[in-house]
Amino acid sequence: DTAVSQTPKYLVTQMGNDKSIKCEQNLGHDTMYWYKQDSKKFLKIMFSYNNKELIINETVPNRFSPKSPDKAHLNLHINSLELGDSAVYFCASSQDPPSAPAALRETQYFGPGTRLLVL
Amino acid sequence: AQSVTQLDSHVSVSEGTPVLLRCNYSSSYSPSLFWYVQHPNKGLQLLLKYTSAATLVKGINGFEAEFKKSETSFHLTKPSAHMSDAAEYFCVVSDRGTYKYIFGTGTRLKVLA
Repeated sequence: DTAVSQTPKYLVTQMGNDKSIKCEQNLGHDTMYWYKQDSKKFLKIMFSYNNKELIINETVPNRFSPKSPDKAHLNLHINSLELGDSAVYFCASSQDPPSAPAALRETQYFGPGTRLLVL
Repeated sequence: AQSVTQLDSHVSVSEGTPVLLRCNYSSSYSPSLFWYVQHPNKGLQLLLKYTSAATLVKGINGFEAEFKKSETSFHLTKPSAHMSDAAEYFCVVSDRGTYKYIFGTGTRLKVLA
């Protein structure tokens, strides 16, 4: 009954490799996000999708490519991994206006995180 | 542009004593504000949120926060700390246009026995 799930939980890989992280939500939300948490615990948004359409794309290298096959899934593919990509990546989802009930608006639900280590 | 500033990177309290985690915000309009908690090696859990209803917001695990427009603050409090409260706490403002979250830098709460 997990609301927002991510796989894998841990990912250790070599520089230059390509890897993907998957995210799924079973809350029926129409907006999903990817955040990056660096070693200092700072969290910053990377991407946001609403009903499979990209709505936020922060200044992220184009080695990062999100893909949303349907509104319940938002995957993150990373090409040519670099040491600086080591971080914890969090997926989140929300139900936003105008369709969301007032009590749920703007509330994001986070997955458990994927800890990526690039060697 | 909206932003939040968490004034303390580390806070230590003794078990059973009050907790105060400070957050100031900057926004050109009435903001939506949140507090999230992250336990070690875990995801983020919503503690409470303010979205222009009552200024005193009660959350889970005995936490509450008060929205003070005159002070542009949204400080998190708890009357009595438990060992299980030891975690990283994030103050967040939601951008009204895109609903993206803008995070503060976090406050690590340590609870001493």
